[in-house]
Amino acid sequence: DVKVTQSSRYLVKRTGEKVFLECVQDMDHENMFWYRQDPGLGLRLIYFSYDVKMKEKGDIPEGYSVSREKKERFSLILESASTNQTSMYLCASSSRGRHAYEQYFGPGTRLTVT
Amino acid sequence: AQSVSQHNHHVILSEAASLELGCNYSYGGTVNLFWYVQYPGQHLQLLLKYFSGDPLVKGIKGFEAEFIKSKFSFNLRKPSVQWSDTAEYFCAVNDINAGNMLTFGGGTRLMVKP
Repeated sequence: DVKVTQSSRYLVKRTGEKVFLECVQDMDHENMFWYRQDPGLGLRLIYFSYDVKMKEKGDIPEGYSVSREKKERFSLILESASTNQTSMYLCASSSRGRHAYEQYFGPGTRLTVT
Repeated sequence: AQSVSQHNHHVILSEAASLELGCNYSYGGTVNLFWYVQYPGQHLQLLLKYFSGDPLVKGIKGFEAEFIKSKFSFNLRKPSVQWSDTAEYFCAVNDINAGNMLTFGGGTRLMVKP
C-alpha cells in the first residue's frame, strides 16, 4: 500500500511565524502535491512538484513556498503565517504514466494560526 | 481554467435510500474523472475513476458513476446506502491539457441515519 505521511496532525502557530509542513511518501512517486482543504471550497492546489528540485504553482500559491530536495519528501513553507492560512493541509503523491492521475493522500495537518 | 461544481453540499439519507450526488465540470475537452471519499478521521481515498470506454463505471463499496459528456456531468450513485457510507465525497477532474493536476469540487457531506 502507498503510504503518505505528514509530520503533524495538528499545529498551532502565531501570526508571523515561519511554518514548515513536511510530507513523505514511500512509493517512489515522481509527483507530489500540496492542497488546502476548506469547508465548501473542496481542495485547492497550492503547489506541486514533478521531480526533485522542480516545482509548479497551483491555483493559490500566494503566501506559500515549497521545497523538494529528495524524491520522497515535499515540504510546504509558510514564510510568515497569517490567520487566513488557518486550514487543513493535505499532501498527495502520484506516479507517472497511466496512473499519474490517481493521487494518494496523507492524513492532513490541521493548522491554526492565532 | 477548469472548474467543478457539486451542487449538494449536505445530504441526509436514511439507510437503504438511494443516493445520487451531482458533479458538473466546465471544460468540454478530454477529461479524466474521479470520485474521492473521506470517511470521518480517515485519509481521502479514491472511490472510482473514469478514463475512457464504458461511461458507466463501478467503484468500491457498490458505488457507480455515469459520465455524460453532453452534460459535462459525472454523477455518483448507490442504490442503497448504509450508515458506513457517512463521509464527505469529492468529485475531481483532470483536464489532460493541465498535466497531472486535478481540480476538485467543493465536496458533499453525506450523513446516513441508521
